[in-house]
Amino acid sequence: KQEVTQIPAALSVPEGENLVLNCSFTDSAIYNLQWFRQDPGKGLTSLLLIQSSQREQTSGRLNASLDKSSGRSTLYIAASQPGDSATYLCAVRDNNAGNMLTFGGGTRLMVKP
Amino acid sequence: KAGVTQTPRYLIKTRGQQVTLSCSPISGHRSVSWYQQTPGQGLQFLFEYFSETQRNKGNFPGRFSGRQFSNSRSEMNVSTLELGDSALYLCASSLNGGLGEKLFFGSGTQLSVL
Repeated sequence: KQEVTQIPAALSVPEGENLVLNCSFTDSAIYNLQWFRQDPGKGLTSLLLIQSSQREQTSGRLNASLDKSSGRSTLYIAASQPGDSATYLCAVRDNNAGNMLTFGGGTRLMVKP
Repeated sequence: KAGVTQTPRYLIKTRGQQVTLSCSPISGHRSVSWYQQTPGQGLQFLFEYFSETQRNKGNFPGRFSGRQFSNSRSEMNVSTLELGDSALYLCASSLNGGLGEKLFFGSGTQLSVL
C-alpha cells in the first residue's frame, strides 16, 4: 500500500529565504506526482504536476523535482514571500490505482515579513 | 471558465441524520472524484465517477455513497451520520480521468456533525 510522507510538518522562515519541502513515497510504481497548495479552510490549488518520465517541472518561483527510483520529490520555493504562507501537499498517482491520489500529510509553511 | 463548484459551503447536522453534498465539475470534465479531509487522517480518497459509473472506490463504509448525472454533476451522500464524519469534503474533476491529467479541486463543503 502506497504511503506518502512529508517532512517537515511545519516550517517558519523569514521573507526572502529559499526553501525546500520534501515528499517521500514508499512504492516507486507511480504514474505522476502533483504538488498542491491549500489555504486555511479552502480547497486545493494545483501547483505542479510531474510525470514519472520527467525529472522536474518549473513554474515561476517554484521548482519541483522527482527521483522515482528513490521515492522522493522536492518542492523548491525561491525568494519566499508572506503570500506563500499555506499548507503544501504532495500527492502520487499509482500506476494501477486509476484516478485515486494518495496524499502526504502536508507541510504548513509560514513566511514572516 | 468556471472552476469546480461545491455546495453548500458549510453544513451542520446531528448524529443519525443523512446529508447530500453537490459538486459541479469544470465544464467539459467528465471525471469527478471525492476526498475527505480531517486533521487526524489527512486527505483520503472516497470514490471516482466517470460517465455516471463509479470507477474506483476508497476504503470507506457503505454509509458513504455517490452518483453522477448525465451532465457530469455529482452528489455524495452520507447516511446515519457519526461524529467522526465531521470533515472537509473535497470534490475534484478532470477531463477524462486519465492518469496523466491534472485534478482540479473545489473549495469543499465543511461538514460538522454534532
